[in-house]
Amino acid sequence: QKEVEQDPGPLSVPEGAIVSLNCTYSNSAFQYFMWYRQYSRKGPELLMYTYSSGNKEDGRFTAQVDKSSKYISLFIRDSQPSDSATYLCAMSAGGGNKLTFGTGTQLKVEL
Amino acid sequence: GAVVSQHPSWVICKSGTSVKIECRSLDFQATTMFWYRQFPKQSLMLMATSNEGSKATYEQGVEKDKFLINHASLTLSTLTVTSAHPEDSSFYICSEAGTSKNEQYFGPGTRLTVT
Repeated sequence: QKEVEQDPGPLSVPEGAIVSLNCTYSNSAFQYFMWYRQYSRKGPELLMYTYSSGNKEDGRFTAQVDKSSKYISLFIRDSQPSDSATYLCAMSAGGGNKLTFGTGTQLKVEL
Repeated sequence: GAVVSQHPSWVICKSGTSVKIECRSLDFQATTMFWYRQFPKQSLMLMATSNEGSKATYEQGVEKDKFLINHASLTLSTLTVTSAHPEDSSFYICSEAGTSKNEQYFGPGTRLTVT
């Protein structure tokens, strides 16, 4: 079993839809949680960074962390075609420890 | 967030030659940088952690004599792929740790094709 599980998709939604992306993990030491967006042939871009459980909102993006369930989510409201990319979750135990990534979910937002 | 650049963005080389990839921190003094490789439709695989002024720490299964990492200054880390072979063709991405050391900021990546 992988430390971080993420549905690879592809996930296809119409423009304007609310998108829900999720990851589950098994390592209870993870404290820091990140979501990255990666366009084809580009480096990942940090979208959201959260510590421990709770919600964080930034514009159209909301990140949720439920440590009791070992489950994290990224919600994208009013999705746009420009949101079409691969979304990677990542997490670490902190203290400068390396990141553990999910496999990424490919999202396509269609007109 | 931090700004990281990589050079070159794309390189083609012949089998048996060596290729150097540069990773620069443009707005931050990065004592720690990370090198990843990514195959098509796969996630990032950490190759090594690069520490300024000391030897890099390589992940299990990564040949340190083949993938030479040098982090001679706070703003520059280099990855040299020595005696490259077609199976080394991949997307190489560097990152630097953010100010809290728990998040990372990635460069744009370097696509290496070995013919």
